[in-house]
Amino acid sequence: EDQVTQSPEALRLQEGESSSLNCSYTVSGLRGLFWYRQDPGKGPEFLFTLYSAGEEKEKERLKATLTKKESFLHITAPKPEDSATYLCAVQALGSSYKLIFGSGTRLLVRP
Amino acid sequence: DTAVSQTPKYLVTQMGNDKSIKCEQNLGHDTMYWYKQDSKKFLKIMFSYNNKELIINETVPNRFSPKSPDKAHLNLHINSLELGDSAVYFCASSGENAYGYTFGSGTRLTVV
Repeated sequence: EDQVTQSPEALRLQEGESSSLNCSYTVSGLRGLFWYRQDPGKGPEFLFTLYSAGEEKEKERLKATLTKKESFLHITAPKPEDSATYLCAVQALGSSYKLIFGSGTRLLVRP
Repeated sequence: DTAVSQTPKYLVTQMGNDKSIKCEQNLGHDTMYWYKQDSKKFLKIMFSYNNKELIINETVPNRFSPKSPDKAHLNLHINSLELGDSAVYFCASSGENAYGYTFGSGTRLTVV
């Protein structure tokens, strides 16, 4: 069964303290791995899609990487406005584009 | 312009009632989805339509019925609402090969 596990469940950082979020996945064949940011009371906001092991993508203070079993979202020198829940999802080959989500990592960045 | 818009944003109703949630996207996407986010923030797909054709129908009670009048609209009708239906329902859309997978802002349904 296709599955996504995210860790840690919650993470507290001081402003400027870099860290990484983990997304481990089991999927029959990977079409793509997605990262989203979700703020309270809002819908998930697209960050990145990664398609193959070794691929990396960056956006401002965020960098996503992908291996055959997991993905990392690296946050460099975070700011309080980076506080949100970060969701990872996989899309399997032949799955008609449905996303299978992990339960998310709640990130709090303190000033 | 909002890319994927849902109405209403909040819905409070009594058990046993029937309610609908509407979704519209202006991205020109061919595929639309309904996802449910439970109290633990876990997002799970319910339905998907591609060009008005149902392509995903997960294990969802048949009290839930999606309808897509055209490829820009996907509505969700729920009959005989139960307490356990309380959740946030998200509409999403995507283009060819799932490009630009975009979510709406959600409808928080509370059944009392």
